[in-house]
Amino acid sequence: GAGVSQSPRYKVAKRGQDVALRCDPISGHVSLFWYQQALGQGPEFLTYFQNEAQLDKSGLPSDRFFAERPEGSVSTLKIQRTQQEDSAVYLCASSPMIAEINYGYTFGSGTRLTVV
Amino acid sequence: GNSVTQMEGPVTLSEEAFLTINCTYTATGYPSLFWYVQYPGEGLQLLLKATKADDKGSNKGFEATYRKETTSFHLEKGSVQVSDSAVYFCALSPQYGNKLVFGAGTILRVKS
Repeated sequence: GAGVSQSPRYKVAKRGQDVALRCDPISGHVSLFWYQQALGQGPEFLTYFQNEAQLDKSGLPSDRFFAERPEGSVSTLKIQRTQQEDSAVYLCASSPMIAEINYGYTFGSGTRLTVV
Repeated sequence: GNSVTQMEGPVTLSEEAFLTINCTYTATGYPSLFWYVQYPGEGLQLLLKATKADDKGSNKGFEATYRKETTSFHLEKGSVQVSDSAVYFCALSPQYGNKLVFGAGTILRVKS
């Protein structure tokens, strides 16, 4: 597609519910990243994929967070047993380069998750 | 560790005023530096970048110069427009690595 597409745009979850957030990167982009942006803050790194391989998951805040990209294109970020502190905008970004971001990423519009 | 500090907002300016948003960073080696912009209701967009010391990134009338000696990458524009109202994020990527480290963002409001 023309850009990075994320769905749903908004998600309201009850505390304890599991959620799945989807990212469709730009076709052919090798690298895919997930970031978490809390209200009034800058985005913070969660995890990175190169094709289907998850090369860095050091930013995932707990074992309730899980990401996958099984065929090297679409990625899903799953949050189990959501907590109020998980409320944030979740951003996906993709890049055509392998481990090289001098050109900058292309970001999606994000999924705003609200846990009530 | 790597970090980015940018001036707190909101910054409120009149149309055609001069804009400076300060950004300083902490990193080892030679990171790449970026400014991203987030317009209301939209995703982050790359505004400009610089990959080595003394490089000047520029786009849409905005510019920023990579200053290694002061570890800074201040964003400037000579004459702002109402349409420049947005949140501006300074970011770095480490010399060896591909994560972006962002500052907290600066809200810019331009009044007509």
